[in-house]
Amino acid sequence: DVKVTQSSRYLVKRTGEKVFLECVQDMDHENMFWYRQDPGLGLRLIYFSYDVKMKEKGDIPEGYSVSREKKERFSLILESASTNQTSMYLCASSTLRTSGKKIGELFFGEGSRLTVL
Amino acid sequence: GESVGLHLPTLSVQEGDNSIINCAYSNSASDYFIWYKQESGKGPQFIIDIRSNMDKRQGQRVTVLLNKTVKHLSLQIAATQPGDSAVYFCAENRRYSSASKIIFGSGTRLSIRP
Repeated sequence: DVKVTQSSRYLVKRTGEKVFLECVQDMDHENMFWYRQDPGLGLRLIYFSYDVKMKEKGDIPEGYSVSREKKERFSLILESASTNQTSMYLCASSTLRTSGKKIGELFFGEGSRLTVL
Repeated sequence: GESVGLHLPTLSVQEGDNSIINCAYSNSASDYFIWYKQESGKGPQFIIDIRSNMDKRQGQRVTVLLNKTVKHLSLQIAATQPGDSAVYFCAENRRYSSASKIIFGSGTRLSIRP
């Protein structure tokens, strides 16, 4: 069974703290993604990576950075957390090895709910 | 800017009836769309996809229709069951250099009346 694991389900941090959200997938997928989910806004893409040490900005990268040192791990970093980064963060992975089928199939973790006070 | 997944936020359906969830997009170059289902406390799960060279695709109890003329797609769920209660997202695959990224809409929450 495919599995994407996010390190923390719930975190509470203070404004200005550095926050690390970790994500690990066991499917040898090339692509990994970080989204944030807010009511009424759906899922918005923060960053994605299509290979080790590669990263690309999504639609809302400001205030975030990422790290992908190993294929299975994709970390989201909030250098200095702010209250407007209180949200649900979802990690996902996907593969190009689908023979053209279901290329849009992302496998998601269960999410990390971050509260910044 | 271009958008995808302009949804009605909520939909209430009688158990056993068919559900139709609608989605609009603005990028006429979009060529691949996906529907996801998100149950409470879980991440979204892939339901079905459709390419722009098709106008209809069927799965198990679900059908996706694509109307490129008006930039609209819909997800139809037959004989809606309590387990269908969830938030449904349409999403678009956008190509980006050697990769592609999936852009989600705002979602529709489907609730089932007994």
